[in-house]
Amino acid sequence: EAGVTQSPTHLIKTRGQQATLRCSPISGHTSVYWYQQALGLGLQFLLWYDEGEERNRGNFPPRFSGRQFPNYSSELNVNALELEDSALYLCASSLVAATDTQYFGPGTRLTVL
Amino acid sequence: GQQLNQSPQSMFIQEGEDVSMNCTSSSIFNTWLWYKQDPGEGPVLLIALYKAGELTSNGRLTAQFGITRKDSFLNISASIPSDVGIYFCAGHFFSGSARQLTFGSGTQLTVLP
Repeated sequence: EAGVTQSPTHLIKTRGQQATLRCSPISGHTSVYWYQQALGLGLQFLLWYDEGEERNRGNFPPRFSGRQFPNYSSELNVNALELEDSALYLCASSLVAATDTQYFGPGTRLTVL
Repeated sequence: GQQLNQSPQSMFIQEGEDVSMNCTSSSIFNTWLWYKQDPGEGPVLLIALYKAGELTSNGRLTAQFGITRKDSFLNISASIPSDVGIYFCAGHFFSGSARQLTFGSGTQLTVLP
């Protein structure tokens, strides 16, 4: 069974541009979560999508947004990129069940120049 | 919001030694999860704990869900070089639609030959 997949692996943008990151959850998982991990730091929760709707978001500005498609895959969009947006962006998926164990993808490394 | 304190921040041990790390929270959690992250990759789930007092093993790894539901520990026995990485605890608190994992800051483990 395939795990969570993310694309692209690496993304290089310049300040002010927009970035789009993609995630495909484990088959059968309906929830997708996005996290930001800046270099040397822990994971900061960004967004949670379930059944196509945004259910919760972390303490990030509105220029971080996303969506979930009918096949449960998801996009994270970051507008007006700033240098401090450089980080590893991780996607996780889970069943929407009591346990809610999250399984992570390999991440997308975003570098803003 | 929920806060997690993970300790120690880093550890240097000799190959073959046992390792112990723990997390404490300011709030009660419904689940505790332990992940390992290698550089530039996504966290990989090691052990999931769902009930207070639960003690679970996965090979050389053992983790416990504290009775008070505010703490958890992870032990690694007979460490080997491939144990090197960052270990994160994560706690899950269910409160209606507020469904997200809170992560500890990580324990960087170095295994010396």
